[in-house]
Amino acid sequence: KQEVTQIPAALSVPEGENLVLNCSFTDSAIYNLQWFRQDPGKGLTSLLLIQSSQREQTSGRLNASLDKSSGRSTLYIAASQPGDSATYLCAVNVIKAAGNKLTFGGGTRVLVKP
Amino acid sequence: DTGVSQDPRHKITKRGQNVTFRCDPISEHNRLYWYRQTLGQGPEFLTYFQNEAQLEKSRLLSDRFSAERPKGSFSTLEIQRTEQGDSAMYLCASSPPMGPNTGELFFGEGSRLTVL
Repeated sequence: KQEVTQIPAALSVPEGENLVLNCSFTDSAIYNLQWFRQDPGKGLTSLLLIQSSQREQTSGRLNASLDKSSGRSTLYIAASQPGDSATYLCAVNVIKAAGNKLTFGGGTRVLVKP
Repeated sequence: DTGVSQDPRHKITKRGQNVTFRCDPISEHNRLYWYRQTLGQGPEFLTYFQNEAQLEKSRLLSDRFSAERPKGSFSTLEIQRTEQGDSAMYLCASSPPMGPNTGELFFGEGSRLTVL
């Protein structure tokens, strides 16, 4: 059974510092990995999708890497801003044929202090 | 493209009552998913549709839960005889047919259920 872990569960940094969020998964036979942002009481916003054949994806200040062999992904957020405060979730998709069922980590709650 | 739409956003009900949530996916997305999220946890998979066919159900989906997608467009999730343990955020997501971005899920804002 696939298990996804995100450590730390919470993180507080001063504005301008780079953020490093970690995600680990137990079964390396993944189809893709997706990072999401969730604001309190809201739904999930997709940030980055990394296919299993890719090593990284970038979007603006966000960069996500994927190392399937070690079962790890890292989300980097450069020059953090107070508006980056949210919970960040990673999710892995291990079943290509059965339609992208995601297994989520517990999330990392980020606070960026002005 | 208005994104995934869920209704209602909030529902407060008494234990034992039935509730129904509706999800309208992004147009032309043939795959639709329901997830449940409790406070402080990541979402957990409940069920999945491809067009109108329900292809997989989690063991979390007890017999009090039923989901439908009758015409392959919107979907409903009904919970009968609600229990306090059903209190959670119910999230709907959709994804497009096979293609370059296959596998990317787009989520709605969720329907928060509180059972008193």
